[in-house]
Amino acid sequence: AQSVTQLGSHVSVSEGALVLLRCNYSSSVPPYLFWYVQYPNKGLQLLLKYTSAATLVKGINGFEAEFKKSETSFHLTKPSAHMSDAAEYFCARRDSNYQLIWGAGTKLIIKP
Amino acid sequence: DTGVSQDPRHKITKRGQNVTFRCDPISEHNRLYWYRQTLGQGPEFLTYFQNEAQLEKSRLLSDRFSAERPKGSFSTLEIQRTEQGDSAMYLCASSLVGQLLNTGELFFGEGSRLTVL
Repeated sequence: AQSVTQLGSHVSVSEGALVLLRCNYSSSVPPYLFWYVQYPNKGLQLLLKYTSAATLVKGINGFEAEFKKSETSFHLTKPSAHMSDAAEYFCARRDSNYQLIWGAGTKLIIKP
Repeated sequence: DTGVSQDPRHKITKRGQNVTFRCDPISEHNRLYWYRQTLGQGPEFLTYFQNEAQLEKSRLLSDRFSAERPKGSFSTLEIQRTEQGDSAMYLCASSLVGQLLNTGELFFGEGSRLTVL
């Protein structure tokens, strides 16, 4: 079955530290992958997407993600965390019917 | 503003009342999705439309839930005889599918938060 797995429901980092949010997918064909961010009481906003072009994808707010086919991973990173990055992050993949299959989400906590 | 808009943003109602949410998608988008999200959870798919056709509705939570998209533009989600368990954020999203090189990512509205007392 197609699925998206996000390791860690909560990730806590200090301000200025590296952010690493993990996402693994299962797919029999190269997928389209997305990271969305959700701030409290807001809708979801697209951070970045992988569409089988470059394996390193740059997104908004300094985030980037690397598609690794051998590891079936699409981890999200940011070199230096900022307090404003505190939010929930969702990884998703597109299925053959253009529907999104969602991970469970990772809440990013930034410590001052 | 050319984004997805939802109305109302907040709705407080008493148990047993009916509520209706409206979603206006990005104008050129042919797909419209409804999701429900409860606190600490990811989006839970409810239903979607391609143009005016409702292509999937088996995931609507009960027969108290219904959705329409009468002219292929805006959509409404109605919950009849609300229960306290219906309290959640209801998210609408739209996308453009079927065109070459289109990735089909979803664009979300700000959501409609329902509180059932």
